[in-house]
Amino acid sequence: ILNVEQSPQSLHVQEGDSTNFTCSFPSSNFYALHWYRWETAKSPEALFVMTLNGDEKKKGRISATLNTKEGYSYLYIKGSQPEDSATYLCAPSGSARQLTFGSGTQLTVLP
Amino acid sequence: DAGVIQSPRHEVTEMGQEVTLRCKPISGHDYLFWYRQTMMRGLELLIYFNNNVPIDDSGMPEDRFSAKMPNASFSTLKIQPSEPRDSAVYFCASSLDGRGTDTQYFGPGTRLTVL
Repeated sequence: ILNVEQSPQSLHVQEGDSTNFTCSFPSSNFYALHWYRWETAKSPEALFVMTLNGDEKKKGRISATLNTKEGYSYLYIKGSQPEDSATYLCAPSGSARQLTFGSGTQLTVLP
Repeated sequence: DAGVIQSPRHEVTEMGQEVTLRCKPISGHDYLFWYRQTMMRGLELLIYFNNNVPIDDSGMPEDRFSAKMPNASFSTLKIQPSEPRDSAVYFCASSLDGRGTDTQYFGPGTRLTVL
């Protein structure tokens, strides 16, 4: 089981603001890093899977970067909208191939 | 595809009763995962299967918990006897293969309340 930390735990932003959060994980035995979006009363949905150092992925207004050497990933949301309100989970996988989920960053976008 | 199907969606039971949660993975997916979500511990992996065979059950909290996958389209997670601290949301997920890069698709979850 990997030690995964996400920060901040929660975040409130105004509609239109851009925001970012961090996922830290052990850099040794790294295999891949997953980001999931989890809306209240729904199930987690995959956003990105990244494997290479320096990887950058983008989906609409959401993007993510990966630094495997120092063991962190950033998730960015540009121009936040109320529908972006959710908990964002990161989950690295190590040599065991299993995902270890962080506790998440709970984002609330205020209209 | 209907996605991962779980039943029941909600279960309320009394302490000491047996509880069985059910999961149907996405057709063609070789891996099935059972997770538990609590406020204290977040989303934690309980057990996972590859081609119906349990591979790692180190996350199963106690002997009261057991999981089976009799065929490629069905799995159960059983708690016997149930205790109030088992109250949580239990998710089932499946993936095409077990590579660490493969996306896991989650079911809607079963919210279990043990009184």
